[in-house]
Amino acid sequence: QKEVEQNSGPLSVPEGAIASLNCTYSDRGSQSFFWYRQYSGKSPELIMSIYSNGDKEDGRFTAQLNKASQYVSLLIRDSQPSDSATYLCAVRLGGGYQKVTFGIGTKLQVIP
Amino acid sequence: DTAVSQTPKYLVTQMGNDKSIKCEQNLGHDTMYWYKQDSKKFLKIMFSYNNKELIINETVPNRFSPKSPDKAHLNLHINSLELGDSAVYFCASSQEGERYFGPGTRLTVT
Repeated sequence: QKEVEQNSGPLSVPEGAIASLNCTYSDRGSQSFFWYRQYSGKSPELIMSIYSNGDKEDGRFTAQLNKASQYVSLLIRDSQPSDSATYLCAVRLGGGYQKVTFGIGTKLQVIP
Repeated sequence: DTAVSQTPKYLVTQMGNDKSIKCEQNLGHDTMYWYKQDSKKFLKIMFSYNNKELIINETVPNRFSPKSPDKAHLNLHINSLELGDSAVYFCASSQEGERYFGPGTRLTVT
């Protein structure tokens, strides 16, 4: 079982819709969870971090964490073509803050 | 005002050569990293340094040798380059869990 799993996509949504990106992780001791956005040919950029169960909202982005189900998601409301990118889920596993593992990323395509 | 910078941006070289990539961060972070992103886009940790001390060394061939002269700089030297080394190499820094990435160095080995 991979430590951090994501569907590689592509996930296609129409402009204005809600995009839902999902991630599961294997280590129950995981402490911190991150979402990065990576445009083609660019470096990953941190967009959200979440540390406790529940929802965390930042503008059009909402991160959701359910530690019991070992599940973290990212919702993008009112999706725009500029949101088209690969979204990487990253998890800080148990054992120290340096150990962060990335998922394969989900490619999101927002169709105008 | 670049937070994490890398040079060079592109590197094209032949098998067997030795090359270096340099990284600098001005965020004041204690920890720096090298990541490799292969053609399948999987981002994998290679090394981590905390305040010039090596703390993570994943299963990486010993042809790869990192060096941190101070906590703001982390370099990567690669000996005897192989075709499979072709990838994008990202430097990153952090103070806690978040990672701040440099622009990447696209290495192509022919």
